[in-house]
Amino acid sequence: NAGVMQNPRHLVRRRGQEARLRCSPMKGHSHVYWYRQLPEEGLKFMVYLQKENIIDESGMPKERFSAEFPKEGPSILRIQQVVRGDSAAYFCASSFSGTGLSYEQYFGPGTRLTVT
Amino acid sequence: GESVGLHLPTLSVQEGDNSIINCAYSNSASDYFIWYKQESGKGPQFIIDIRSNMDKRQGQRVTVLLNKTVKHLSLQIAATQPGDSAVYFCAENPLQKLVFGTGTRLLVSP
Repeated sequence: NAGVMQNPRHLVRRRGQEARLRCSPMKGHSHVYWYRQLPEEGLKFMVYLQKENIIDESGMPKERFSAEFPKEGPSILRIQQVVRGDSAAYFCASSFSGTGLSYEQYFGPGTRLTVT
Repeated sequence: GESVGLHLPTLSVQEGDNSIINCAYSNSASDYFIWYKQESGKGPQFIIDIRSNMDKRQGQRVTVLLNKTVKHLSLQIAATQPGDSAVYFCAENPLQKLVFGTGTRLLVSP
């Protein structure tokens, strides 16, 4: 059973370009979460999605950032007009359900975004 | 790669010793807590979890203790091995999303 897949693993963008980060959840999981991690810090929640729905985007900046989880295909985290402060590791996690005993979140390997 | 964790609290132990990593959480409404292990360049890996109706839970070589009165979690690793070297995070989930602590770097020397 493949784990959570993220691509690309490393992404370099110049200031002002767009970054697209992809996440394929574990098989059978319909809940996806995105987190951002700066060096030497813990992960910070950004957004929680189910198929075709954004459940909680309270951690996502209001501008330039968007996320989707379409009916078919991976979840996408999109950052428009990137700035140097967007440089971080972005992790995706998935879970079987959002509540109850199957809540455990499984993390992908992350995408390391560098903005030059 | 990621920066060296020069500013993370660090716990250095000898191989075979027991390790105790502590964590304070903030939200009294949290009812589920998890410990994650993160190796350099990788995503967090689930170690063990505990619900708020328990105060202790044991896994293989690991034990988590929960003290709700003082909002404190600890992770105990028995017979620590070099492969246990990593950054350890506690996380709480007040509302489905995980809130991570700052992390502790565990260094195990042979």
